[in-house]
Amino acid sequence: AQTVTQSQPEMSVQEAETVTLSCTYDTSENNYYLFWYKQPPSRQMILVIRQEAYKQQNATENRFSVNFQKAAKSFSLKISDSQLGDTAMYFCAFMKHDIWGGSEKLVFGKGTKLTVNP
Amino acid sequence: DAGVIQSPRHEVTEMGQEVTLRCKPISGHNSLFWYRQTMMRGLELLIYFNNNVPIDDSGMPEDRFSAKMPNASFSTLKIQPSEPRDSAVYFCASSLGQGATYNSPLHFGNGTRLTVT
Repeated sequence: AQTVTQSQPEMSVQEAETVTLSCTYDTSENNYYLFWYKQPPSRQMILVIRQEAYKQQNATENRFSVNFQKAAKSFSLKISDSQLGDTAMYFCAFMKHDIWGGSEKLVFGKGTKLTVNP
Repeated sequence: DAGVIQSPRHEVTEMGQEVTLRCKPISGHNSLFWYRQTMMRGLELLIYFNNNVPIDDSGMPEDRFSAKMPNASFSTLKIQPSEPRDSAVYFCASSLGQGATYNSPLHFGNGTRLTVT
């Protein structure tokens, strides 16, 4: 079974600075997908960024980027120019690839609570 | 699109009572997932459906939990009888196509916070 570990329960950063959230996972699969979701106080789960395991290039979405190290099974999220609205819980998630196009589920880490201070 | 709609947003009930949580997925989405979120265990998948058919219910904690999807636009999660340890936030999520995929990730509802006293 796949597991996802987020070793930082809480982090804080000053507005406009950069912060990195760590995520490691355990799997025997070779082809899979990784995601970061954001959960603000409103409780809604919002997809931030996603990465395909077979792609070596790290995904980037505006101020959000990832550092994907497949051999190390590491998938960290970097937030640049942090904004107050980035304050939220951040969840790392893993999904294995089904070659038959079947249903797959997301396995989540326990989350990192990020606070952006003014 | 209104997104995934869950009701109620909050539910407070007494131990032993029946609780029904409701979900309306995004129109056109073929897969629906029920997750439970607690501080101790994080987000856990309870069950998911593909084309209204349950695919994996291995996460359902016990027989007190049941889920149905009578049609493509509605699903329920029922707990009978409820217990204090069922207190959690329950999320419904949907995706387009054959379950969640890279190109069709999960879209979550706002969750139902359940408190069982």
